[in-house]
Amino acid sequence: KQEVTQIPAALSVPEGENLVLNCSFTDSAIYNLQWFRQDPGKGLTSLLLIQSSQREQTSGRLNASLDKSSGRSTLYIAASQPGDSATYLCAVIYLTNAGKSTFGDGTTLTVKP
Amino acid sequence: DVKVTQSSRYLVKRTGEKVFLECVQDMDHENMFWYRQDPGLGLRLIYFSYDVKMKEKGDIPEGYSVSREKKERFSLILESASTNQTSMYLCASSLYSLGRGGTEAFFGQGTRLTVV
Repeated sequence: KQEVTQIPAALSVPEGENLVLNCSFTDSAIYNLQWFRQDPGKGLTSLLLIQSSQREQTSGRLNASLDKSSGRSTLYIAASQPGDSATYLCAVIYLTNAGKSTFGDGTTLTVKP
Repeated sequence: DVKVTQSSRYLVKRTGEKVFLECVQDMDHENMFWYRQDPGLGLRLIYFSYDVKMKEKGDIPEGYSVSREKKERFSLILESASTNQTSMYLCASSLYSLGRGGTEAFFGQGTRLTVV
């Protein structure tokens, strides 16, 4: 079964710390991987999309990497701020499931002032 | 800027009612999706549409139906609402891309449905 796993489920860090969120997927045959942010009671906001041919994408303080051979992606957040507190989800589109994303359960990040 | 708009943020309905959740996107996307999100169960796909009048069942279609009469609008219908359909419902859209399986997905703000 094609799955996406995010560990840990929750993370708490002091403000200013650099941190890494992890996403693992079970099959390297993917179209793309997308990172989202979700605030409580809200929808998902797209952060970064990495196509299967790419190794990383950057947006501001965020950097996402993709290693298909090991089935891993990381989201690096530099100089974390309390406003970064949210749940971060990754989603993978597998080649055998075109158009439809398989989601991880997310990592809930708390950045303490 | 892509916008996916869901018709309601909060809804309260009675058991047995027919419920319509509406979703509109303004970027001419072919793909549209309905998910529900529950604590401990994550995001689960209910239905997927890849074109007007085309639909495909997701992981949990039981108790739901959908309608896509226009490209920009995708409706989720609860034929007879039940308390176990109390949940957060999320609509999303993406552009079809031949050979790429779909592009960046964008989500609406969510509808919190409570069935009493």
